[in-house]
Amino acid sequence: EDQVTQSPEALRLQEGESSSLNCSYTVSGLRGLFWYRQDPGKGPEFLFTLYSAGEEKEKERLKATLTKKESFLHITAPKPEDSATYLCAVQAIDSNYQLIWGAGTKLIIKP
Amino acid sequence: DAGITQSPRHKVTETGTPVTLRCHQTENHRYMYWYRQDPGHGLRLIHYSYGVKDTDKGEVSDGYSVSRSKTEDFLLTLESATSSQTSVYFCAIRAGTSGEETQYFGPGTRLLVL
Repeated sequence: EDQVTQSPEALRLQEGESSSLNCSYTVSGLRGLFWYRQDPGKGPEFLFTLYSAGEEKEKERLKATLTKKESFLHITAPKPEDSATYLCAVQAIDSNYQLIWGAGTKLIIKP
Repeated sequence: DAGITQSPRHKVTETGTPVTLRCHQTENHRYMYWYRQDPGHGLRLIHYSYGVKDTDKGEVSDGYSVSRSKTEDFLLTLESATSSQTSVYFCAIRAGTSGEETQYFGPGTRLLVL
């Protein structure tokens, strides 16, 4: 069964304290892995898509990486405005473009 | 901004009442999706559409129906609302270049069934 697990459920960091969020996945064949950011009371906002192991993408203080079993979202020197819930989703090759979602990691950056 | 609006944004209703949520897009995207989001769960797909009058079920479709009579509008109906359908509902569209498409989300509708 295709599955996505995100860890930790919640992460509290001090401003400037770098860390990583994990997204582990089980899928028969990976078409793509997606990262989204969600602020309270809003819809998910697209960040990155990764397609193959070894691929990396960056945006400001965020860098996403992909292996054959998991993806990491690295946050370097975070600021309070990076506080949000980060969602991971995978799309299987035979899925008719449907996404399987993890439950998310709630990130809190304290000033 | 993918040009997606949802209405209403908030709704309180009573058990047994029919409820219709509307998703409207302005960019003629073929694929549209309805999800629900609950604490401790990932987003769960209710129904999706791949064109006018073309719809299919997702993983949690029981108790929900959808209609798409125009490209720009995708309606989600709860025929007889139950308390278990209290949730936040998101509409999404699929967009991007072929082979690199992704989903973009609306602002959500918060539904409370009493």
